[in-house]
Amino acid sequence: KQEVTQIPAALSVPEGENLVLNCSFTDSAIYNLQWFRQDPGKGLTSLLLIQSSQREQTSGRLNASLDKSSGRSTLYIAASQPGDSATYLCAVRRRYDYKLSFGAGTTVTVRA
Amino acid sequence: DGGITQSPKYLFRKEGQNVTLSCEQNLNHDAMYWYRQDPGQGLRLIYYSQIVNDFQKGDIAEGYSVSREKKESFPLTVTSAQKNPTAFYLCASSIDWDRLNTEAFFGQGTRLTVV
Repeated sequence: KQEVTQIPAALSVPEGENLVLNCSFTDSAIYNLQWFRQDPGKGLTSLLLIQSSQREQTSGRLNASLDKSSGRSTLYIAASQPGDSATYLCAVRRRYDYKLSFGAGTTVTVRA
Repeated sequence: DGGITQSPKYLFRKEGQNVTLSCEQNLNHDAMYWYRQDPGQGLRLIYYSQIVNDFQKGDIAEGYSVSREKKESFPLTVTSAQKNPTAFYLCASSIDWDRLNTEAFFGQGTRLTVV
């Protein structure tokens, strides 16, 4: 069974600091990994998708890395802004049944 | 403007009632999904559909039912058999099911409360 863990559950940083969010998974047999952002009471917004054959993906201030062998992904957000305050979730698409397994998320607060 | 529309945004259910949550997408996606989100937990899969007129149970299907009569629509019914239905429900879609670059897109959610 695939288990996805995100630690810490919550994080508070001053504006301008770089954010590092962690995601670990127990089964390395994945198709891809996706990072999402969720604002309070809203749906999920897709940020980045990394295919299992890739090591990283970048979009603007966001960079996500993937190390399948160790079961880890890291989302980096450069020069954080108060607008980056949200919950960030990672999800892995399992190779054996193509379903997504989600972590519980990391709630980020960027202080002005 | 392409996307996934869920309605209503808020829904209240009395004990013993069935309620239906709507999900419509205009992305021309084959696959659609329903998830349930509870505080402090990851999203859990209720039902999914790989293609029109076909659907399968997810990890927590008991007390729920779905239909997929049209490609763009995937309504979820929460029946009276679901003992703890209060949660945030999210609908998602992807262009297909099993490619390396299959990316999931989500609607804005429906918050269901039992009164």
